Amino acid sequence: EAQVTQNPRYLITVTGKKLTVTCSQNMNHEYMSWYRQDPGLGLRQIYYSMNVEVTDKGDVPEGYKVSRKEKRNFPLILESPSPNQTSLYFCASSPDDRAHQPQHFGDGTRLSIL
Amino acid sequence: AQSVAQPEDQVNVAEGNPLTVKCTYSVSGNPYLFWYVQYPNRGLQFLLKYITGDNLVKGSYGFEAEFNKSQTSFHLKKPSALVSDSALYFCAVRDMMDSSYKLIFGSGTRLLVRP
Repeated sequence: EAQVTQNPRYLITVTGKKLTVTCSQNMNHEYMSWYRQDPGLGLRQIYYSMNVEVTDKGDVPEGYKVSRKEKRNFPLILESPSPNQTSLYFCASSPDDRAHQPQHFGDGTRLSIL
Repeated sequence: AQSVAQPEDQVNVAEGNPLTVKCTYSVSGNPYLFWYVQYPNRGLQFLLKYITGDNLVKGSYGFEAEFNKSQTSFHLKKPSALVSDSALYFCAVRDMMDSSYKLIFGSGTRLLVRP
């Protein structure tokens, strides 16, 4: 089944403890992206990647890192999480970087930073 | 700056009645427009998109959307609502001139269909 898989789905942790949210897609997609969803704000892009080894900042990159060493994986790293990073996170992918391609989303990761 | 507005936090409609979820946008160039739906504890699912051509776009689950360039709107519609349509709906836009292919989302509209 074609899908975007995120892990973990839920995580409660404490301020300053490094964490990684993994994202993997099995559709051979070029383009991948991370969003955070907050009530009343919709989804905001954190980072995106046009292809392997190519990443760039979105609208809200502060406090996050990403890497794209393989086409299928795009992990989101919080080096020193803070409470304002408590949110619902989504990874998404699309076949290439053409702007009219819809994105396929994972089921989300709910992070709570205490 | 690119933006998307969904003026209604919630839309309530009776099953069998037509529904409309509103969306207006602002971009520098020409837009690519999308509607996504989110069910509880799930990611967003693509419903339909407008690229160019006919202003009325048909998508999944009987939904359609009408692109109106003069009003910069892209309202989502369905002739006859189902209880199972109850979900959170997001409108999104990409500016054709934006090399980052950034997707800008509205704040979402919760659709509640009463039996």
